[in-house]
Amino acid sequence: DTAVSQTPKYLVTQMGNDKSIKCEQNLGHDTMYWYKQDSKKFLKIMFSYNNKELIINETVPNRFSPKSPDKAHLNLHINSLELGDSAVYFCASSQVLGLAGPPGAKNIQYFGAGTRLSVL
Amino acid sequence: AQSVAQPEDQVNVAEGNPLTVKCTYSVSGNPYLFWYVQYPNRGLQFLLKYITGDNLVKGSYGFEAEFNKSQTSFHLKKPSALVSDSALYFCAVRAYTGKLIFGQGTTLQVKP
Repeated sequence: DTAVSQTPKYLVTQMGNDKSIKCEQNLGHDTMYWYKQDSKKFLKIMFSYNNKELIINETVPNRFSPKSPDKAHLNLHINSLELGDSAVYFCASSQVLGLAGPPGAKNIQYFGAGTRLSVL
Repeated sequence: AQSVAQPEDQVNVAEGNPLTVKCTYSVSGNPYLFWYVQYPNRGLQFLLKYITGDNLVKGSYGFEAEFNKSQTSFHLKKPSALVSDSALYFCAVRAYTGKLIFGQGTTLQVKP
């Protein structure tokens, strides 16, 4: 069983469309994340949720809206897609958020295989 | 602000030789450092982390990393490289918000 699974794996769409990427983790983790990897392989966090609550919201355009219906799911909806949105989007999860004190094994983030989004 | 730098875009090593992938960091306070590996068309896999204690940290697949506070470095090492080690390697630091801040990534190419 895949621990962190994302669908779809590939997404090709036209500029201006609205699309969603789904993420599910079966690890029982409390915290989930979305990262964006650009064409130069640079990885940057977009959002994190802890127990369905938004914790981190980097300076991401409000066209991007994460939704967490429950702890095991964190979906990413993107409105009015632009060419610059083309990237690989990774979902990740960790057992706890653990902001206080040093991170232990519970803070290790586990990543999905990624969704390659191409906006034409 | 916290940041991580990986000065080499690519490292080339012959199979059986030792390898080093470099990482330097800039943080205020105690650094919590990680190495992840990304195989082609796959997500990132956790390799190892430094929190406190011994400066030499051992991780998965025979990798280890050396924490050097005076040089603010956390280089990834392996005594004998395998062709299957060829992948993209990321160094990361954990920010106070819990998020990971990644370096630019270093492609490791191990040739037979």
